[in-house]
Amino acid sequence: DIVMTQSPDSLAVSLGERATINCRSSQSVLYRHNNNKNYLAWYQQKPGQPPKLLIYWASTRESGVPDRFSGSGSGTDFTLTISSLQAEDVALYYCQQYYSSPPTFGQGTRLEIK
Amino acid sequence: QVQLQESGPRLVKPSETLSLTCDISGGSIYSYYWSWIRQSPGKGLEWIGSIYFAGDMYNTGGTKYSPSLRSRISISLDTSKSQFSLKLRSVTAADTAVYFCARQVGNDYDSYYFDYWARGTLVTVSS
Repeated sequence: DIVMTQSPDSLAVSLGERATINCRSSQSVLYRHNNNKNYLAWYQQKPGQPPKLLIYWASTRESGVPDRFSGSGSGTDFTLTISSLQAEDVALYYCQQYYSSPPTFGQGTRLEIK
Repeated sequence: QVQLQESGPRLVKPSETLSLTCDISGGSIYSYYWSWIRQSPGKGLEWIGSIYFAGDMYNTGGTKYSPSLRSRISISLDTSKSQFSLKLRSVTAADTAVYFCARQVGNDYDSYYFDYWARGTLVTVSS
């Protein structure tokens, strides 16, 4: 199984500031042979709610997701960036690889307001 | 707008079978993987398995199961009712978790990310 490791485990950022969450995979999730895409997604989970898809193919924003959310990276190292933190962004964030089965998730990063 | 709704017992006795059903509404069931994922404090988000429906009414699609749970699980799809089901046999306290059903984008060959999720159901394994 591909192991996904996120850092940090928790993060406190001031309102309006940039938040950066990292995700590393134990092997590359870049599929070079066909579409040259990174098989990685990001999710946001608020208390009592299911995860919500934010980003797929490492950098494609899901419809309706604010443009302050962006994804970057390739191969084994990826980043989710929130450009200007809003109060409603307080949540747990997860990365997920779908390069190989079983799909696996990171352990989660808790984002709070400083 | 796709909506998913789980149903099933919230309390299951050890050694018995956990059974959950997910009703699909507001969208096509064709050409998607229909998946079960669980979340427990100790193990985070864990994919359980998926079933794919390519649109052939005589073939409800292939299944993919987590290697660690393969011996105990089965997932089925009832296209006439637009619902899919999970059965997890011989449960223990370690199977206590919030169970989510979700839609997984994919095709005949690959499965990708999860774009719609149900609210989740806490299932407790206890005597």
